[in-house]
Amino acid sequence: GAVVSQHPSRVICKSGTSVKIECRSLDFQATTMFWYRQFPKQSLMLMATSNEGSKATYEQGVEKDKFLINHASLTLSTLTVTSAHPEDSSFYICSATLTGSSYEQYFGPGTRLTVT
Amino acid sequence: QKEVEQDPGPLSVPEGAIVSLNCTYSNSAFQYFMWYRQYSRKGPELLMYTYSSGNKEDGRFTAQVDKSSKYISLFIRDSQPSDSATYLCAMSSNSNYQLIWGAGTKLIIKP
Repeated sequence: GAVVSQHPSRVICKSGTSVKIECRSLDFQATTMFWYRQFPKQSLMLMATSNEGSKATYEQGVEKDKFLINHASLTLSTLTVTSAHPEDSSFYICSATLTGSSYEQYFGPGTRLTVT
Repeated sequence: QKEVEQDPGPLSVPEGAIVSLNCTYSNSAFQYFMWYRQYSRKGPELLMYTYSSGNKEDGRFTAQVDKSSKYISLFIRDSQPSDSATYLCAMSSNSNYQLIWGAGTKLIIKP
């Protein structure tokens, strides 16, 4: 149980275009979902926390107009990288919690974004 | 100084050895301590979590928390090549607060 999927697993896009990444909880309803970014050989950096039906809470330094997060249902959250630039290239990972407790997070497999 | 310090490694040990992975932290308010395993190009997987001090055992894995020293450890007994991965520690002062992550230690188990 507690499986989280992400789609796509890899995406290459051109500068200036937008990319949408989906995060789904497959066998449970997720009250809270988190979006992380991970650079090579570095730890996870929390970008934002999203709760179903409300606006996402962004971490300091994360541009909410650039990284649009929508949590339309208890099983789906999306991250849209708008007007992508090469420096947005990274590994994006989502996680979901059953109970809202941040320690009990179940992670998706990640999405490798490359902006050319 | 980072709130959570973790040696990035890599740590290379022979198969069957006991592995010790560690993190130190500076915030005495941390109460929840987690260990995640991350295989290359995959998302992290929760291995163990501990509340407050003490030990917790699950199969070949043992997690220890020493709050007086602000030090946590993960021990892996009878290590296998399939244990080769990056191990990340994470901690929180409250179950609803965001996790503070270590940098991760890359572990290599040599057959």
